[in-house]
Amino acid sequence: DVKVTQSSRYLVKRTGEKVFLECVQDMDHENMFWYRQDPGLGLRLIYFSYDVKMKEKGDIPEGYSVSREKKERFSLILESASTNQTSMYLCASTPWGRASNEQFFGPGTRLTVL
Amino acid sequence: DAKTTQPTSMDCAEGRAANLPCNHSTISGNEYVYWYRQIHSQGPQYIIHGLKNNETNEMASLIITEDRKSSTLILPHATLRDTAVYYCIVRGKNTGTASKLTFGTGTRLQVTL
Repeated sequence: DVKVTQSSRYLVKRTGEKVFLECVQDMDHENMFWYRQDPGLGLRLIYFSYDVKMKEKGDIPEGYSVSREKKERFSLILESASTNQTSMYLCASTPWGRASNEQFFGPGTRLTVL
Repeated sequence: DAKTTQPTSMDCAEGRAANLPCNHSTISGNEYVYWYRQIHSQGPQYIIHGLKNNETNEMASLIITEDRKSSTLILPHATLRDTAVYYCIVRGKNTGTASKLTFGTGTRLQVTL
């Protein structure tokens, strides 16, 4: 089974802190995604990556950056956390060359910024 | 991507079939219907997808109408663990580049004793 893991289930940070969210998948998937999920807004794509060192902006990239140094790991970085970044963050992966709409999600990280 | 419409919430008794409808009247010929669900405090989980024929797997069945403008996800014997939000998504089958998924608000299924 595909396993997508995220570094923390719950995280509390202060405004202005730099925050790292880590995601690791163990199935050699090329594509990886970061979403945030907020009540009433569904999932919104922040960034995605289709290869090592490659990244593309999603719908709401402002205030975030990403890093993909290794194929299995995709990091989301909040350069200076703000209260409006309090959310559930979900990482997903999918292989290249097949139905990439069958995305495999991690358990999520619930981030609270105080 | 075609827009989908789902009921906000549904209830189902444990052991009975849960039938979750989805309308997608603007679906185009090369678009598939995908279903995901999200159990509370977990990430979304892929369930099933189909183009025009009915599909079945170990989790559920998907019935797509002949005109493809609507579909129904069927959980044949719902259990308490099936309580979740169910999302219907319409997308072209992407075999190459990464593609985002757009989740709407879905149907909140509550399975009761």
